[in-house]
Amino acid sequence: QSALTQPASVSGSLGQSITISCSGTASDVGRYDLVSWYQQHPGKAPKLMVFGVTERPSGVSNRFSGSKSGNTASLTISGLQADDEADYYCKSYTTTAALVFGGGTRVTVL
Amino acid sequence: EVQLEESGGGLVQPGGSLRLSCAASGFTFTSYRMHWVRQAPGKGLVWVSGTVINGDTTNYAGSVKGRFTMSRDNAKNTVFLQMSSLRDEDTAVYYCATSPSNSWTPFEYWGQGTLVTVSS
Repeated sequence: QSALTQPASVSGSLGQSITISCSGTASDVGRYDLVSWYQQHPGKAPKLMVFGVTERPSGVSNRFSGSKSGNTASLTISGLQADDEADYYCKSYTTTAALVFGGGTRVTVL
Repeated sequence: EVQLEESGGGLVQPGGSLRLSCAASGFTFTSYRMHWVRQAPGKGLVWVSGTVINGDTTNYAGSVKGRFTMSRDNAKNTVFLQMSSLRDEDTAVYYCATSPSNSWTPFEYWGQGTLVTVSS
């Protein structure tokens, strides 16, 4: 199972919005509405930010939103804050009953 | 407070074996499926394995199938990962994580990880 494809890095200024893409196939992202997104700060465990493509866990800011079109999912962070600077990973369930992560995107707040 | 605490990591030679544990507390362990996820130094997250509540069904990534065995002891609120025939590329921080009882995703709770180093 190949990793989902994410851009290596995305940057934006404080207060701006950015979007991270996550490209998969018809066997994973395109097949199921089971895409989730995780934030990871250096040296820390990942944190769930979005699940079921568009849902946010309790306590996660509504500045984080998810969407999907075809085989590509996206995470949008609006009103960028300094603490949003981290690595972000998408993940999808697959037709082989495996789970696959994206390669990760480093978000830099300028 | 939800806690997942991994242990058992360390230095092991190529071809060797190691058993990781993940002790859960602060939530109803038998209401969650459990997973192992690893992260090689400076690299991304990779799902390793996941098991259902009673342990009857366990799925593995292709890279570890046949070498790693995941199990759980619901009486002790603990999940295990028995790793054998270890390779250099298995070097990583290993995290345990939870998913809902009826789904393989998402991973809501995570431990802090335990480092496994495979080297001669």
